[in-house]
Amino acid sequence: QVQLVQSGAELKKPGASVKVACKTSGYTFTNYGIHWVRQAPGQRLEWMGWINADNGNTEYSQSFLGRVTITTDTSANTVYMELSSLRSEDTAVYYCARDGYCSGRGCYSWFAYWGQGTLVTVSS
Amino acid sequence: DIVMTQSPDSLAVSLGERATINCKSSQSVLYNSNNKNYLAWYQQKPGQPPKLFFYWASTRESGVPDRFSGSGSGTDFTLTISRLQAEDVAVYYCQQYYSTPRTFGQGTKVEIK
Repeated sequence: QVQLVQSGAELKKPGASVKVACKTSGYTFTNYGIHWVRQAPGQRLEWMGWINADNGNTEYSQSFLGRVTITTDTSANTVYMELSSLRSEDTAVYYCARDGYCSGRGCYSWFAYWGQGTLVTVSS
Repeated sequence: DIVMTQSPDSLAVSLGERATINCKSSQSVLYNSNNKNYLAWYQQKPGQPPKLFFYWASTRESGVPDRFSGSGSGTDFTLTISRLQAEDVAVYYCQQYYSTPRTFGQGTKVEIK
């Protein structure tokens, strides 16, 4: 069965960086894209960006441009999301999520599979 | 960016009664070449990731009870719970995947009256 398992909670100081891992299993890693979505306390879900696990191409939300980097380790079927220059407003649960369906025409980004979430707390 | 706006923000419904959640997109999410609406619905309970309920606006994900239905096209969409059960208490989100950035509604909290 498809599983996305994320790394554990992080406590960071303002200005630092955080790198969250999303280890996937149960499907062919390079056949689907992986997205990152965050949820600040009491806020809506916010899409951050995604990576095409086949060719490594990325797309990021303008809200995070310059601060977020998504990468893969194909040998480990793992995707990483690094967020830099952290501020208190970045305190949130960060989720990875897999594309719903991919074909030769591209991928459709509904999210049937999610990681369990990683709480990142930014505090001095 | 496509802005997704849900209404109401919260609603309280008696057990066994109908609950209706609306989602409006700031531009159409209907792709004319395949006549599909790039709209998904999720249910989220506290401490859990969202759970996919519908994609293509009305295609029910496997395992979702048939008391849930999704409808709408273009810019206006609806999630309906025909007979509310206690386990349906949650926050529901719509999401468009028509364009980047993917965007979500602000959520609608469903409670028991």
